[in-house]
Amino acid sequence: GAGVSQSPSNKVTEKGKDVELRCDPISGHTALYWYRQSLGQGLEFLIYFQGNSAPDKSGLPSDRFSAERTGGSVSTLTIQRTQQEDSAVYLCASSLGTSGARSTDTQYFGPGTRLTVL
Amino acid sequence: AQSVSQHNHHVILSEAASLELGCNYSYGGTVNLFWYVQYPGQHLQLLLKYFSGDPLVKGIKGFEAEFIKSKFSFNLRKPSVQWSDTAEYFCAVKAAGNKLTFGGGTRVLVKP
Repeated sequence: GAGVSQSPSNKVTEKGKDVELRCDPISGHTALYWYRQSLGQGLEFLIYFQGNSAPDKSGLPSDRFSAERTGGSVSTLTIQRTQQEDSAVYLCASSLGTSGARSTDTQYFGPGTRLTVL
Repeated sequence: AQSVSQHNHHVILSEAASLELGCNYSYGGTVNLFWYVQYPGQHLQLLLKYFSGDPLVKGIKGFEAEFIKSKFSFNLRKPSVQWSDTAEYFCAVKAAGNKLTFGGGTRVLVKP
């Protein structure tokens, strides 16, 4: 079946501009995650959505970063006033969303959006 | 907060050689463990996972990993690598909550 899709695949922007990155999760997955992959920091968690619950925003690096998930499906990650240190590959993942001590929830990743801030 | 360490940043080996990549984590409670692989130009793919039960888990493409709780380790192994195993390998841990904490990755180059 269809996997996680992300758009655009590449985005080049100028410092100070705002950008929006989109993620379409696997159909039926209630949990959605954003991660960032950069040379200096490796793979870092940014934010997590589970159903209608309040998102876990604990990984967002600054208040310039925000994300929303409309209708429990598509998600948009917005970076305002981009800085050069925001350059990275932004990865989206989704999972069935089961939780608890016996959960076997597994995350599946999209191809990512490569963001370059000039 | 949990952390994950992958000791080898780069590994170079020849085809048919055996591969072992180390992964250690710091977290005292129940964990779920994963290995993901990223082939050149491709996205992260799940290689194998451990939730409970038999600590020796088998994944795709002949890979296996062993969970040793006393050593907080989840090392990845393959008895005989192929050129197509050239990739970057990431160990990840899911502890409290659902987010994954990743190791720094190990780049593996298999020479034909």
